[in-house]
Amino acid sequence: DAGVIQSPRHEVTEMGQEVTLRCKPISGHNSLFWYRQTMMRGLELLIYFNNNVPIDDSGMPEDRFSAKMPNASFSTLKIQPSEPRDSAVYFCASSSHYEQYFGPGTRLTVT
Amino acid sequence: QKEVEQNSGPLSVPEGAIASLNCTYSDRGSQSFFWYRQYSGKSPELIMSIYSNGDKEDGRFTAQLNKASQYVSLLIRDSQPSDSATYLCAVKNTNAGKSTFGDGTTLTVKP
Repeated sequence: DAGVIQSPRHEVTEMGQEVTLRCKPISGHNSLFWYRQTMMRGLELLIYFNNNVPIDDSGMPEDRFSAKMPNASFSTLKIQPSEPRDSAVYFCASSSHYEQYFGPGTRLTVT
Repeated sequence: QKEVEQNSGPLSVPEGAIASLNCTYSDRGSQSFFWYRQYSGKSPELIMSIYSNGDKEDGRFTAQLNKASQYVSLLIRDSQPSDSATYLCAVKNTNAGKSTFGDGTTLTVKP
């Protein structure tokens, strides 16, 4: 099993640009989670999907953030426009029941 | 009060000692409990899950759960320098699709 796959692994962009992060969950998992991690705020849940449907997006910081899951094997997290305070590591995780398995993360730097 | 609380540490133990990591939670409906290990610059990795009161052992790791006291712990026996990492406690209510994570305890094992 390849595990959760995320791309890109690193992203450096300028303030105001659009950023799209991608995630492929583990095959057969029906829940997908997007997290953001910073030193100051720790690990924050942004949004999660169950069977491709967004269930809880209360952690999405503002309207600049959006997430989609068009099918069971793909999800995107988009930031438009990006700001320096969005700099963080973004993790995608998937789950079939109780335990979550994390991808390697995308380190985003917004200058 | 945070939903899941951990001592932030850092916790430092000598090689070969027992490291004890503690976690308390506020949701009495919580039924699933997890310990993740996160090395610096890496993603969280699931190392233990526990669902019933008592102890669960896996190699050098023992998870302990006391639902009455709303307390879960992780013991690492014969600590090795390679155990140096941040350990995240996560708690899940069966009726919720998501887990709630603590802020983590940083463990350093000194040779």
